This record gives sequence, structure tokens and C-alpha cells, in this order.
Amino acid sequence: NAGVMQNPRHLVRRRGQEARLRCSPMKGHSHVYWYRQLPEEGLKFMVYLQKENIIDESGMPKERFSAEFPKEGPSILRIQQVVRGDSAAYFCASSPGGASDTQYFGPGTRLTVL
Amino acid sequence: DAKTTQPTSMDCAEGRAANLPCNHSTISGNEYVYWYRQIHSQGPQYIIHGLKNNETNEMASLIITEDRKSSTLILPHATLRDTAVYYCIVRVVNYGQNFVFGPGTRLSVLP
Repeated sequence: NAGVMQNPRHLVRRRGQEARLRCSPMKGHSHVYWYRQLPEEGLKFMVYLQKENIIDESGMPKERFSAEFPKEGPSILRIQQVVRGDSAAYFCASSPGGASDTQYFGPGTRLTVL
Repeated sequence: DAKTTQPTSMDCAEGRAANLPCNHSTISGNEYVYWYRQIHSQGPQYIIHGLKNNETNEMASLIITEDRKSSTLILPHATLRDTAVYYCIVRVVNYGQNFVFGPGTRLSVLP
């Protein structure tokens, strides 16, 4: 059973460009979470999605950031007009739902903004 | 804010048991205790979780005190590859509750 997959693993963008990060959850998982880890800091929750729905986006910056989890295909975290402060590791996690609802994390995408 | 308190760092000799403590004095009856670790810059790795009873799996054991205000993660025979940041997290039993990561404990396994 393949784990959570994220691509690309490394992404370099210039200021003002767009970044698209993809996350394929584990088979059978319909819940996806995005976290961000700034250099030398802890992981911070960004957004929680189920298929076709955003459930909790309380951790998302109000501007330039958006997320989706379509009926078919991976979840996408989109950052428009990137700035240097967006440089970070972005981790996706998936879970099956249920009582204990353990989340399993992907390897992350490391975004560098030049 | 994280609801747990962990030591900033710990050392452990290779082959010895590593005992990582965690205080969660304000834990509620419907909150699980989860442990994850992050090796270098990799994605967090799930280790174990529990509600009231002690738990054991192939990676570790989780000992939860009777009053549930603290717990200990035990790696029975630490190896160099267990060097990582270990996170203790309490989380309500509910769909879609995100994890709140604190700074964790940086465990160094020494040869």
C-alpha cells in the first residue's frame, strides 16, 4: 500500500510566480491536511479538506493561498505571486476518518522562492 | 498552542531504551495522546497513539499514567536511526481535528 505521495519534492520559483503543490493521499483515505514548516520552526496546520470540500481553512493565509481536493485526482495547494517568506517545507497528510483518525504524512515539498 | 510539555532535548546510548516523557495535565476525557517523529527534514512519521491503556507496537510502547496527565514513549532498543525530533500531541476524538505540533524533544542517540 503506497503511502502519501507529494510532488514535486523540490520546487524553485521566482518572486511573483505561482507554485502548485500536489498531494495524493493513501488509498482509501478521503481526508487531506496541509501543513507548513518554516525553516527552524515547527509544523503549522493550514487547511483540511475532504473530497470536493474545504472543511477547515483556519490556518491558511488570507491572500494568495488556496487549496482544493477534487473528486478525481490529487489535492492541490496553490500559492499565487510567491514571496520569499513562502519558502518552506509543505507537508500533506491523509487519514481515513474514524474515531482515532490517525494522519499519515507525505515526504513534503520544499519550496524555495528566489 | 500545543497542550503538551516535553523536554527540549535528550541523549540516549545506542542499544539502550529511550524514555521520552510528555506532560499533558489539561487533557480531556475525549483526547487521544499521539506520538510522531521527524527525522531530519522528512515528513513526520506516526509512531503510536492511545487513549487510556498502555499501547505497544513494533516501533514503541506508550505508557499513560492512570490520571492521564502524563505519558512516556519508550523505544526499547534505540539505534542511531532513531535520532529525530519526537512530538507528543493530544487531540480530540473527532473527524478532521488537525494536529497542533509543539517544539518536541530532540532525541540524539549516541554510539
